[in-house]
Amino acid sequence: AQKVTQAQTEISVVEKEDVTLDCVYETRDTTYYLFWYKQPPSGELVFLIRRNSFDEQNEISGRYSWNFQKSTSSFNFTITASQVVDSAVYFCALSGPIDGFSGGYNKLIFGAGTRLAVHP
Amino acid sequence: NAGVTQTPKFQVLKTGQSMTLQCAQDMNHNSMYWYRQDPGMGLRLIYYSASEGTTDKGEVPNGYNVSRLNKREFSLRLESAAPSQTSVYFCASSEESRVIISPLHFGNGTRLTVT
Repeated sequence: AQKVTQAQTEISVVEKEDVTLDCVYETRDTTYYLFWYKQPPSGELVFLIRRNSFDEQNEISGRYSWNFQKSTSSFNFTITASQVVDSAVYFCALSGPIDGFSGGYNKLIFGAGTRLAVHP
Repeated sequence: NAGVTQTPKFQVLKTGQSMTLQCAQDMNHNSMYWYRQDPGMGLRLIYYSASEGTTDKGEVPNGYNVSRLNKREFSLRLESAAPSQTSVYFCASSEESRVIISPLHFGNGTRLTVT
């Protein structure tokens, strides 16, 4: 079965600190996709990044960077020089096959989320 | 603006009442989904529709029914609401019908309270 674990329930940092959000996944598939979403206090879900299982290159987008390591089944997210506007719940998700269904359809499996609070 | 529209935004029900959550997308996406979000549990899939005319159960389908009315619309019905269904409900859509490659587009959510 597929599973996504975000062991950090809540993280609290002071502005300008760097912070890393951990994501560990389980899957038997060789082809899969990993995602990060942000949910600010307003409640909407905002897509941040997608990574496929064949691309292990790290990615950087401004203050955000992602470290994908298949060897440890991890897809960690780092925010450099955090800001108050980064305060949100962050979800890691895995695209995997639906249990018991052979039709090839996929679903997006979410971790429980990490609540990040950045204080001035 | 293009996107996923959910109605209503808030709803309070009494135990045993029924209601339907509406969802529509104008991006011509094939697949649509209903998730519920509960504290500490992330988002869990209730039902999905891989393409127009098909629906199937997700992780937590009990107590819910869905209808894919057409390509644009996907509704979620609670026939007899229970307090355990107090949650935030999100509708989402994606381009693909078989493999999720593109990111899901989410609506703004419906906050449902069952007393």
